Amino acid sequence: QSALTQPASVSGSPGQSITISCTGTSSDVGAYNYVSWYQQHPGKAPKLMIYEVSNRPSGVSNRFSGSKSGNTASLTISGLQPEDEADYYCSSYTSSSTPLYVFGTGTKVTVL
Amino acid sequence: EVQLVESGGGLVQPGGSLRLSCAASGFTVSSNYMSWVRQAPGKGLEWVSLIYSGGNTYYADSVKGRFTISRDNSKNTLYLQMNSLRAEDTAVYYCARDFSGAGFDPWGQGTLVTVSS
Repeated sequence: QSALTQPASVSGSPGQSITISCTGTSSDVGAYNYVSWYQQHPGKAPKLMIYEVSNRPSGVSNRFSGSKSGNTASLTISGLQPEDEADYYCSSYTSSSTPLYVFGTGTKVTVL
Repeated sequence: EVQLVESGGGLVQPGGSLRLSCAASGFTVSSNYMSWVRQAPGKGLEWVSLIYSGGNTYYADSVKGRFTISRDNSKNTLYLQMNSLRAEDTAVYYCARDFSGAGFDPWGQGTLVTVSS
């Protein structure tokens, strides 16, 4: 099972919106609504931002939203802010027992 | 407050062993699914292992037969026993509560394992 494919980098100016794609297969992203997104600042642990494709945990800004179409999931950050600069990873449950979960290749978001 | 704190990382020679611990507070480890996820230096995240609340365990192919996930209910602590370590196991290891496909939350701060001679 290969890692999910994400763009290596995405950038935007403060206040703009950006979208990060996450492409998998019919055995992971396309098979379940179990896609989650994580934000990771340098030297820190990942933080859950979106679960089950489009749900936000309590405390996560509503500037973050998720969606899915077929084998591709997306994370949109609207009203980009300097503190959004970080690495972002998607993850999906898989139909295999190993691995049970697969992560994306990661996207570096830069706020210009 | 729901929190996870890992410990046990360090420098170990190839072929050696190490046991990582993950102490939980604010929730009960045995009532939840728990996973280990690792991140090699400068690389992405890789799921390593999962233990269900019922005790069933799952492993990534890369660690199957070498790593063992377990828990101590009396200490509310999750473990990862790592044997026959290889250079490619070098990574920061995170424990996380696993909502069965609905995301990992929270994550511990991570513990660095370096396999080198």
